[in-house]
Amino acid sequence: DAGVTQSPTHLIKTRGQQVTLRCSPKSGHDTVSWYQQALGQGPQFIFQYYEEEERQRGNFPDRFSGHQFPNYSSELNVNALLLGDSALYLCASGIKDGYNEQFFGPGTRLTVL
Amino acid sequence: AQSVSQHNHHVILSEAASLELGCNYSYGGTVNLFWYVQYPGQHLQLLLKYFSGDPLVKGIKGFEAEFIKSKFSFNLRKPSVQWSDTAEYFCAVNPNSGTYKYIFGTGTRLKVLA
Repeated sequence: DAGVTQSPTHLIKTRGQQVTLRCSPKSGHDTVSWYQQALGQGPQFIFQYYEEEERQRGNFPDRFSGHQFPNYSSELNVNALLLGDSALYLCASGIKDGYNEQFFGPGTRLTVL
Repeated sequence: AQSVSQHNHHVILSEAASLELGCNYSYGGTVNLFWYVQYPGQHLQLLLKYFSGDPLVKGIKGFEAEFIKSKFSFNLRKPSVQWSDTAEYFCAVNPNSGTYKYIFGTGTRLKVLA
């Protein structure tokens, strides 16, 4: 049983560019959340998707957007990249009904030059 | 604002020493509590969780944590650490109000000397 998978593993972009990160949830899971983990910090909640809609959002600007597909996989898009967007982006999946337990993927390391 | 504090940023211990990592949170309602571990080069893995019931919870690899509601704390403990416990440890809080938002602490880097 595959866990949460993310692609790509690493990514290098320049300021002003746009990036798309992808996540496939653990089998049987239907919710996906995205987190940003800056160096030396704990993960920070970006947003959560369920039934193809954004259900909750953290304190991130509109440059951060997402999408969830009918197969529950998800994308995170970041526009107009800033140097400060350099971080590890984590995807977490879970089941809507239950105790809000989430499983994390390995992350995508984004470097903005 | 909701927050999680992990007071120990770096901890160095010798093998067989006892471990206690502090975690305090600020949220007045019911919470779900978690400890995650991130081994070098690996992804976040769940160590243990507390949802309700017995405030002393046991997790994998001999770890345990105690929820003290009056102190808003959820400290992680292990009686005897091993070299393989070298990792970064994150405490996370989920306000139990139908949200999937986890609030993480800044993490504690543990180094165990062989």
